[in-house]
Amino acid sequence: AQKVTQAQTEISVVEKEDVTLDCVYETRDTTYYLFWYKQPPSGELVFLIRRNSFDEQNEISGRYSWNFQKSTSSFNFTITASQVVDSAVYFCALSPYSGTYKYIFGTGTRLKVLA
Amino acid sequence: DAGITQSPRHKVTETGTPVTLRCHQTENHRYMYWYRQDPGHGLRLIHYSYGVKDTDKGEVSDGYSVSRSKTEDFLLTLESATSSQTSVYFCAISDDPGLAGEDTQYFGPGTRLTVL
Repeated sequence: AQKVTQAQTEISVVEKEDVTLDCVYETRDTTYYLFWYKQPPSGELVFLIRRNSFDEQNEISGRYSWNFQKSTSSFNFTITASQVVDSAVYFCALSPYSGTYKYIFGTGTRLKVLA
Repeated sequence: DAGITQSPRHKVTETGTPVTLRCHQTENHRYMYWYRQDPGHGLRLIHYSYGVKDTDKGEVSDGYSVSRSKTEDFLLTLESATSSQTSVYFCAISDDPGLAGEDTQYFGPGTRLTVL
């Protein structure tokens, strides 16, 4: 079965705190892609990152970083020194490389950053 | 930003009426998708298209049909809307993954549909 679990429904932090959003996935495919999207209060879905299953290097982009661990089937997202503008719903998604290119989304984590 | 528009952006309709949502892209991407977003469910795939007149069902296709007569347009039709189809609908596009299988999907702004 293909599944993405985002166990944290909602997280609240105070500005400048670091926060980690968890994503655990299930797939039997050996080749797959993982994604994170951001949905700010305005409602659009913004692509943040794509990672393929053969690349376990962590990635950093400004205040954002991603930790991919195949051993624990996790692809966690950390925001360092959070800001109010980071307040959004964040979705993790899995795309098994099975020729259909369908995404399986998690249910999302709502992050509230308080000033 | 990928050139994706959705129309209408908001619609209120009554149970039993037909509704068509339109997704238009200017990126000439091969793949197009329709998702619905509901609280507690994330995004779920309704239908997708892998070329003109080539479509397939997704996870929650019952009650929906789609058509793609041109590369740039992907239509989602609710033949007889029900209250359970009240949702936010997103269109997405992706380019041909090619050998690398890279298929990042880019999303439109969404359509909020309310069925009374």
